[in-house]
Amino acid sequence: AQSVTQPDIHITVSEGASLELRCNYSYGATPYLFWYVQSPGQGLQLLLKYFSGDTLVQGIKGFEAEFKRSQSSFNLRKPSVHWSDAAEYFCAVGVTTDSWGKLQFGAGTQVVVTP
Amino acid sequence: DSGVTQTPKHLITATGQRVTLRCSPRSGDLSVYWYQQSLDQGLQFLIQYYNGEERAKGNILERFSAQQFPDLHSELNLSSLELGDSALYFCASSLTGDSGNTIYFGEGSWLTVV
Repeated sequence: AQSVTQPDIHITVSEGASLELRCNYSYGATPYLFWYVQSPGQGLQLLLKYFSGDTLVQGIKGFEAEFKRSQSSFNLRKPSVHWSDAAEYFCAVGVTTDSWGKLQFGAGTQVVVTP
Repeated sequence: DSGVTQTPKHLITATGQRVTLRCSPRSGDLSVYWYQQSLDQGLQFLIQYYNGEERAKGNILERFSAQQFPDLHSELNLSSLELGDSALYFCASSLTGDSGNTIYFGEGSWLTVV
């Protein structure tokens, strides 16, 4: 069965600094990969997704993620963090061999942005 | 705004009771999903429907049931509620429900069981 690991439960970053959130997956083939963000009291908003092709994916709000097959990773990055980026971030995997598109989520990484 | 609408946003009820959570998918989406988010279990897939039919089942308790109606809205019914059922319940939708579809989430229904 596939699994998703987000090694960092909590990250604190200064406003204006760069941010990288790690995501590792375990799956026999290349899965579909997603990053979602959950702001306090809000639902899950899709930041970006990887299905195939270019391994560097651009998303909304200035985020990007890079798929690395050799490392089974899909890390999320942002060059310069804004205070509004404080939220919880979830990596998710969709199974490519499954006919139906349910997602498996990582445990999430809480991002705190300091002035 | 994802276009997925969930009601109610907040609900407080007592143990042993039954509640119904409602979801309207994005316009044009045929597939609906239910997820549960709790502190100890994280985000867990419960069940998926496509055009009124159940398509995939996850960690959904027998006390829980769901359905998707002809107008494509969905309801999640939670019965014999226990304290541990307190969680944020998300509805999500996608166009066809196929693997690879982008899944859009609502803002969730907060359920507190006291």
